[in-house]
Amino acid sequence: SQTIHQWPATLVQPVGSPLSLECTVEGTSNPNLYWYRQAAGRGLQLLFYSVGIGQISSEVPQNLSASRPQDRQFILSSKKLLLSDSGFYLCAWSAGTYGYTFGSGTRLTVV
Amino acid sequence: DQQVKQNSPSLSVQEGRISILNCDYTNSMFDYFLWYKKYPAEGPTFLISISSIKDKNEDGRFTVFLNKSAKHLSLHIVPSQPGDSAVYFCAVGNYGGSQGNLIFGKGTKLSVKP
Repeated sequence: SQTIHQWPATLVQPVGSPLSLECTVEGTSNPNLYWYRQAAGRGLQLLFYSVGIGQISSEVPQNLSASRPQDRQFILSSKKLLLSDSGFYLCAWSAGTYGYTFGSGTRLTVV
Repeated sequence: DQQVKQNSPSLSVQEGRISILNCDYTNSMFDYFLWYKKYPAEGPTFLISISSIKDKNEDGRFTVFLNKSAKHLSLHIVPSQPGDSAVYFCAVGNYGGSQGNLIFGKGTKLSVKP
């Protein structure tokens, strides 16, 4: 069966520090991978998606970047965090047809 | 401009009664509709879906209704239970489509009171 792992669960980082969130999927090949952010009152905002290794599409201009170095690995990064980057970050995968399976999320607080 | 709207940010219901969550979308090209449930500090989990060839799909206490002419879908929970208290997101997309094709509403927080 397919599983998705996302870590860390919580993170407190100072403004200006770098960020790296990792997401891995098991039990499937060539999944579509997504990074979402849930901010208060904003619902689920799609940040990045990837249909293959090295293929990244950005939905929203921001202080973040994403990379897919391996088929089942998706990384969300920032060189310098802003206060506005605080939120709940969710990784998800799909096979393209039946909707998404989400990871457990990372609560990021930038202080 | 929001393509998917959940106009009620919150809903409070008594245990045992019906909960009705609503969702409106703007693009008639969407043909796949889903509901996700999210508890605090957890990722959303898939609840129920419906394709545009149907107007109703039922799974236990959960029923999704689709009104294509009105571009409206709703989720009915009967009977509501305290464990149903969560944020519910509707999502729309294209069946068989690929990358990034699900668009989510902002969510409705359901509180079921004992």
